[in-house]
Amino acid sequence: DAKTTQPTSMDCAEGRAANLPCNHSTISGNEYVYWYRQIHSQGPQYIIHGLKNNETNEMASLIITEDRKSSTLILPHATLRDTAVYYCIVRVLSGGYQKVTFGTGTKLQVIP
Amino acid sequence: GAVVSQHPSWVICKSGTSVKIECRSLDFQATTMFWYRQFPKQSLMLMATSNEGSKATYEQGVEKDKFLINHASLTLSTLTVTSAHPEDSSFYICSAHPPGGSTGELFFGEGSRLTVL
Repeated sequence: DAKTTQPTSMDCAEGRAANLPCNHSTISGNEYVYWYRQIHSQGPQYIIHGLKNNETNEMASLIITEDRKSSTLILPHATLRDTAVYYCIVRVLSGGYQKVTFGTGTKLQVIP
Repeated sequence: GAVVSQHPSWVICKSGTSVKIECRSLDFQATTMFWYRQFPKQSLMLMATSNEGSKATYEQGVEKDKFLINHASLTLSTLTVTSAHPEDSSFYICSAHPPGGSTGELFFGEGSRLTVL
């Protein structure tokens, strides 16, 4: 798995957009960018993933730079329940048997 | 969506005893499952890859005789912490990937918190 780097922590005001960056400069051509989040004392939860195009689902948007060396997860209207640690991971799509290693992630604190 | 369940969600045991944690894929078969350990305020650390019908693959520094993994069926992997000591107290999490899934996402269990007294 390619290494990813994320800021250790971020704050966001409730109702505002939360933009979480991730650098993955050594990403390979067949590796996707995945985002997970972990709320305290729970298992990680899948958020979104993408290869090179921007993606959007009901939870978030994923913006991947053209050179694919970095990406941004956007929570459009952060709520208090979005307070969690967010992990950016890169791995191949069909790598069900490929182990996944986690970096330190970004602790997002949504402030009332 | 696919669901991975762990049991127990928390367990307290005396030092020297063994504890078994189960990881089940509830609606899909998983030939591979992964076990992680997480200490407070730290990230998830991959411990081992559990392979159905064969031996688990352990990460460097993880004692295979200490953390026994059994993947006897396509829906169940177990992690046994043998002769547990206080330093084994941690949050243990498993994950699995539905075969043929189009998203490639991994599904994680709820985690099991082990406290060794």
